[in-house]
Amino acid sequence: KNQVEQSPQSLIILEGKNCTLQCNYTVSPFSNLRWYKQDTGRGPVSLTIMTFSENTKSNGRYTATLDADTKQSSLHITASQLSDSASYICVVKEGTYKYIFGTGTRLKVLA
Amino acid sequence: EPEVTQTPSHQVTQMGQEVILRCVPISNHLYFYWYRQILGQKVEFLVSFYNNEISEKSEIFDDQFSVERPDGSNFTLKIRSTKLEDSAMYFCASSEDTGSYEQYFGPGTRLTVT
Repeated sequence: KNQVEQSPQSLIILEGKNCTLQCNYTVSPFSNLRWYKQDTGRGPVSLTIMTFSENTKSNGRYTATLDADTKQSSLHITASQLSDSASYICVVKEGTYKYIFGTGTRLKVLA
Repeated sequence: EPEVTQTPSHQVTQMGQEVILRCVPISNHLYFYWYRQILGQKVEFLVSFYNNEISEKSEIFDDQFSVERPDGSNFTLKIRSTKLEDSAMYFCASSEDTGSYEQYFGPGTRLTVT
């Protein structure tokens, strides 16, 4: 069964610190992998989209990595800010039209 | 900046009633999606829609659900006879194309079935 697993489930860090979120997937056929940020009660917002051949992609303070061989991805957040407090969701596109969502990592940044 | 809009923001309905959730995708987008998120759980894919027909649907999207693009701007999700377990946040999304194009999500409609 196609699945996307994320760890940790939740994370608390101090403002200014870095953190790394993990995503493992078993999705076939693999099309691409996305990271989204979701604030409570809001729709997800795209951070990065990575295809099979891309290893690293950055978007400001967010850097995503993808290892298609081991089917793992990570999202690194540098110099965290209070506004980074949200859920971060790893999503793998299966085939042409279907998206498999992970359960998310809930990040809390404290002052 | 263009955005996906959804109405209503919150819908309360009684079990067995029909509900229609409405979405206005971004105007030049061609691909449309519905997702649901039960409180405290992950987002789940329901259906994708392109060229006035369903392109893919999940196991959740059974005969109780239907989608429609009744005019050039709206995209609707109908639940024929709501159950308690249909209570969730429903998100609409749209993208310009498939492949690695970004998907833009609306703010969601919270459906509460009593």
